[in-house]
Amino acid sequence: NAGVMQNPRHLVRRRGQEARLRCSPMKGHSHVYWYRQLPEEGLKFMVYLQKENIIDESGMPKERFSAEFPKEGPSILRIQQVVRGDSAAYFCASSLDRSSYEQYFGPGTRLTVT
Amino acid sequence: SQKIEQNSEALNIQEGKTATLTCNYTNYSPAYLQWYRQDPGRGPVFLLLIRENEKEKRKERLKVTFDTTLKQSLFHITASQPADSATYLCALDRGYSSASKIIFGSGTRLSIRP
Repeated sequence: NAGVMQNPRHLVRRRGQEARLRCSPMKGHSHVYWYRQLPEEGLKFMVYLQKENIIDESGMPKERFSAEFPKEGPSILRIQQVVRGDSAAYFCASSLDRSSYEQYFGPGTRLTVT
Repeated sequence: SQKIEQNSEALNIQEGKTATLTCNYTNYSPAYLQWYRQDPGRGPVFLLLIRENEKEKRKERLKVTFDTTLKQSLFHITASQPADSATYLCALDRGYSSASKIIFGSGTRLSIRP
């Protein structure tokens, strides 16, 4: 049973470009969470999604960032017009349902903005 | 707003000793508290979850306590081994049924010397 998959593992973008990060949850999991981790800092919650619904996006910057989890396919975190401050590791996690509190994390996507 | 403090950015102990990591929180008591392990360049791995009505939880060499009066959780690794060296994160959640925001501490970097 494959774990949470994230791709790409490493992404380099120039300032002003768009970054698209993909996350495929564990098989059977319908809850997806995105986190950002800066060097030497903890994980910061960004957004919580279920299939076709954004449940909680209170941790997401109001501009340039968006997330979706379509009926078919992976969850996508999109960052438009990237800036150097967006450089970080972005982790996706999934859980079986809301009552299964433990989350299973992917390996992360390391975004570098040059 | 809820805050988490993990005492000690880094902890260095001798192999075979018991490592004790601390997680303190302010404001409301979470419905449950979790501990994760994170190795460099990888996503966090779930270790243990303890609910607000539980005092203690064990799993092999791991033990977690939860004191809602002190607003503190302690994470113990007995008979520590160099392979236990990693960053350990605590996380807590309100346990809402429809919205979810897990808050992570910044972690304690544990080093076990042979």
